[in-house]
Formats: sequence, structure tokens, C-alpha cells
Amino acid sequence: KNEVEQSPQNLTAQEGEFITINCSYSVGISALHWLQQHPGGGIVSLFMLSSGKKKHGRLIATINIQEKHSSLHITASHPRDSAVYICAVRIGTGNQFYFGTGTSLTVIP
Amino acid sequence: GAGVSQTPSNKVTEKGKYVELRCDPISGHTALYWYRQSLGQGPEFLIYFQGTGAADDSGLPNDRFFAVRPEGSVSTLKIQRTERGDSAVYLCASSRSGGADTQYFGPGTRLTVL
Repeated sequence: KNEVEQSPQNLTAQEGEFITINCSYSVGISALHWLQQHPGGGIVSLFMLSSGKKKHGRLIATINIQEKHSSLHITASHPRDSAVYICAVRIGTGNQFYFGTGTSLTVIP
Repeated sequence: GAGVSQTPSNKVTEKGKYVELRCDPISGHTALYWYRQSLGQGPEFLIYFQGTGAADDSGLPNDRFFAVRPEGSVSTLKIQRTERGDSAVYLCASSRSGGADTQYFGPGTRLTVL
């Protein structure tokens, strides 16, 4: 059973394209985390959301609590955005975060 | 320190051996998490510390796995009688006080059990 589903699993885009990565979850959550993982590298936190929308540079994250869905958008994509993007949710007030399997993004120059 | 550090970065061991993996969290962070990430998968929760105590160890797969954080800072994940299926990247993260606080991840330790 996987509480967190991400789509697509793999995504290839041309430099400059607008990118959307989706995350759906099946249970009530208190927080949702978007993370970035470069090949062979560590995991970097991008956003922590519990409602609405957050923006940082070219990255935008939105969450719809009623629909149990979040999206991560990248505007004007660049090859350095190539990484695995992971969605993780905190269920209720628990201590555990449940992670999706990630979306592997490749941006071609 | 500036970030979460983990040692060693790579560990190769033989089936049946004992291993220890170390995590140094960000100074002042009371919450510390251990995760395991298998190839092509997202991280899987193992254990959560709040201060010195293991507040939630429900993710530990069996009693071969144990973790400590005796002084509320550095943590050690211990695996006894390693099996080939234990091969994975073991990730440590810390946050200021747990809950929904942003977690900061270390680079991970890649464990290979031959």
C-alpha cells in the first residue's frame, strides 16, 4: 500500500519548458514536503506546505487539501533542474513522513 | 555544523557482520530521523528521536536494527547480523523541533552487504 503517488515517474523536457509534477495522497495529512534529490547527492528540502501555494524563484508548489493533491511547477526549466523530485506527507500529527517514489526529471539543453 | 553529516559515506560489509552508521545533525535540532532508501524507491521511515529518546521506532524492520542518541545530538544506527536485503542508502535528517518542521537531510551512507 502506498499512501503517496507521484506522476509522472519520468519526465524529459526541453530547456525553457514549464514543468508540472503531481502528487496525490489517500489519507488526511497535516503537511506535505517537496524534496529534490540530485543523482548521487543528498536530499534538499524545497517546500513544506499545509495549504495554499508557495513560491521560491522559479519553483511554485500548490496544495488542494480537499482533493488530496499537490503540484510542483518549474517555470523556465534549466538543465540544472534535472533531479528526482520527491513528495512526502505527514499523516495527522504523527512523526512519520511517507514518501512517494519520486519523479525523475531530465531537462535537455 | 553547517548541515547534517553522515559517516561513513560508503560501507561494504559481509553478510552476518555488525555495522554502525553515524549521523551528526544540525546543532540545536532536537528532532532526528533515520530513513532507508532502496534503489528506485522513496525514503522509508525507520525511527524518530526527540532529544535523547526514540519517540517512534515503528519503522525499524526487525530487532536486528537499533538506534541510539545518548546525548541528544549524534545518533548511531546499528545493524546486527546484516543481510543482503539490508543493502540501501541510509539517510539521516534533522529538524528544529519535529512535527511539520522542515527536515534537513544528510548525504546518506550507502551500505552494501555482500
